[in-house]
Amino acid sequence: ETGVTQTPRHLVMGMTNKKSLKCEQHLGHNAMYWYKQSAKKPLELMFVYNFKEQTENNSVPSRFSPECPNSSHLFLHLHTLQPEDSALYLCASSQEASKVTYEQYFGPGTRLTVT
Amino acid sequence: AQSVAQPEDQVNVAEGNPLTVKCTYSVSGNPYLFWYVQYPNRGLQFLLKYITGDNLVKGSYGFEAEFNKSQTSFHLKKPSALVSDSALYFCAVRDGDNYGQNFVFGPGTRLSVLP
Repeated sequence: ETGVTQTPRHLVMGMTNKKSLKCEQHLGHNAMYWYKQSAKKPLELMFVYNFKEQTENNSVPSRFSPECPNSSHLFLHLHTLQPEDSALYLCASSQEASKVTYEQYFGPGTRLTVT
Repeated sequence: AQSVAQPEDQVNVAEGNPLTVKCTYSVSGNPYLFWYVQYPNRGLQFLLKYITGDNLVKGSYGFEAEFNKSQTSFHLKKPSALVSDSALYFCAVRDGDNYGQNFVFGPGTRLSVLP
């Protein structure tokens, strides 16, 4: 449960605000992910960082900006969000190696409400 | 492209009865399959995975899943349900022959175990 931590757990922000979500993994993994979980929709992969390099962004709007300063930390910078961006934002990590697949470990999420 | 279907939005079962949560998948290469559980206001928690070997996989909290290649299914099962098993369950797939392909999650099935 404490392998992947996320702060803050809850965030309310106006559409003109700028805020950041933080994720930290204590598992020694080399890949980190941001997912968006909205009610009644499948989990949406937003960003992937593998060995600190971004490998996928899945056409996420530019108002979401990721940052991965090292393999243990991942940020999601938010600015000029829309009400439809309100969701649970989940961070995950995994150990990636060629031809080997390990499971992902998830943080508790940040519940974001955009007013 | 890979995809996951969980045909039931909701499964209700009486405590002590066996439970099954269904999952079918589509992937071009070798399927790597996972089950996760999500309790309210929490992140996803890994339950079990199938990579290779025995088709019956045992995981955490008494859960098991059976890989059926011909039916492209990976149903989650438990012989005797507990009220505390009530949660949201996600099936996920990854293409084992295409390193770099990310996880794809199903829409989730809500399990309610009635006392």
